[in-house]
Amino acid sequence: EPEVTQTPSHQVTQMGQEVILRCVPISNHLYFYWYRQILGQKVEFLVSFYNNEISEKSEIFDDQFSVERPDGSNFTLKIRSTKLEDSAMYFCASEATTDTQYFGPGTRLTVL
Amino acid sequence: GIQVEQSPPDLILQEGANSTLRCNFSDSVNNLQWFHQNPWGQLINLFYIPSGTKQNGRLSATTVATERYSLLYISSSQTTDSGVYFCAVDDAWNAGNMLTFGGGTRLMVKP
Repeated sequence: EPEVTQTPSHQVTQMGQEVILRCVPISNHLYFYWYRQILGQKVEFLVSFYNNEISEKSEIFDDQFSVERPDGSNFTLKIRSTKLEDSAMYFCASEATTDTQYFGPGTRLTVL
Repeated sequence: GIQVEQSPPDLILQEGANSTLRCNFSDSVNNLQWFHQNPWGQLINLFYIPSGTKQNGRLSATTVATERYSLLYISSSQTTDSGVYFCAVDDAWNAGNMLTFGGGTRLMVKP
């Protein structure tokens, strides 16, 4: 069964550094998402992406964040200058049409 | 925005017991999904169920959209069912498809 994959599984970085989290959505899907989950808290929406542009973003998704679909398979989330409070599990999700969103296994980001 | 409340927040069961988890939401939805977050943090899709009833093995779910709630039933629970169960909804009034998650129910199944 096709699945969403994410790399790396765990990323440790110093405060102020740039990080890029990578996702490979399911191949025929059209809608792509990033969510995050701070340890012990609920999952929060960051951004949605459709037709090569951002379709919606939350208040969390400020100028430090950006997303890109550089080719036909990858979907990336960049954090330009990481803060301690960016430490979280980041999930990528994809969706074929407007029904089930399928989540990847997540990238655990630790900012020191 | 839409509010999603799950109950109970914590649940401890003996192996073999049955349980019902509840998700209340404050407005009309296009999408409702149930997830199981395992001890490794992965979010496993259980059901896509904006309305009606579905069953998958020992798990079943019912959503009554007109009354704005959904129920997840776990029968004959096993230790591998332990983890956090999340309900997530897509607000019908929202142009996009973003999911809003509830706070989760943390389930522990004891052998």
